[in-house]
Amino acid sequence: AQRVTQPEKLLSVFKGAPVELKCNYSYSGSPELFWYVQYSRQRLQLLLRHISRESIKGFTADLNKGETSFHLKKPFAQEEDSAMYYCALSWDNTDKLIFGTGTRLQVFP
Amino acid sequence: DAGVTQSPTHLIKTRGQQVTLRCSPKSGHDTVSWYQQALGQGPQFIFQYYEEEERQRGNFPDRFSGHQFPNYSSELNVNALLLGDSALYLCASSSPSVTDEQFFGPGTRLTVL
Repeated sequence: AQRVTQPEKLLSVFKGAPVELKCNYSYSGSPELFWYVQYSRQRLQLLLRHISRESIKGFTADLNKGETSFHLKKPFAQEEDSAMYYCALSWDNTDKLIFGTGTRLQVFP
Repeated sequence: DAGVTQSPTHLIKTRGQQVTLRCSPKSGHDTVSWYQQALGQGPQFIFQYYEEEERQRGNFPDRFSGHQFPNYSSELNVNALLLGDSALYLCASSSPSVTDEQFFGPGTRLTVL
């Protein structure tokens, strides 16, 4: 069965420090991977997806099929990055998303 | 465009009751998906509606049912409520013919006592 694992519930860093939020998945085929973000008192929104290969708000994520990972990275964290981050998986154009349990990122000044 | 809207915002029910949650998709979207988010967990897929039919379903019992109307709005019904049904219920809309991005609503917080 498809599964997404985010091993860290909480990640705390200081402003300007590098950030890496880990995501591992299990799926034998070709998945589509996403990062969703939820800022305080806002709704869940798409941050980035692996097929677009974009950098959004300084964040990047590379799909590593060998390690079945899709870690989210940012070289210099900002206070406004503080939020809840969810890694999600879909497959075969199903539009059905499987989410991880989420990682709360706290960026201190 | 207000985006995806959901009603009500909060709801309190007792065990055994039935509840109906409502969702209006983002303008131009024809597909609606429902997710359950328990405290401390990520959203879990319940089902998806397209062209007024259930297209996909997650691992939820038949107590969870839904409907989609001709204007693409949708309802989620839960019968015989259990304490474990207490959660945030999220609606997401998309238009797969244009993009696979799902846009989420603010959610309905259901508390079962």
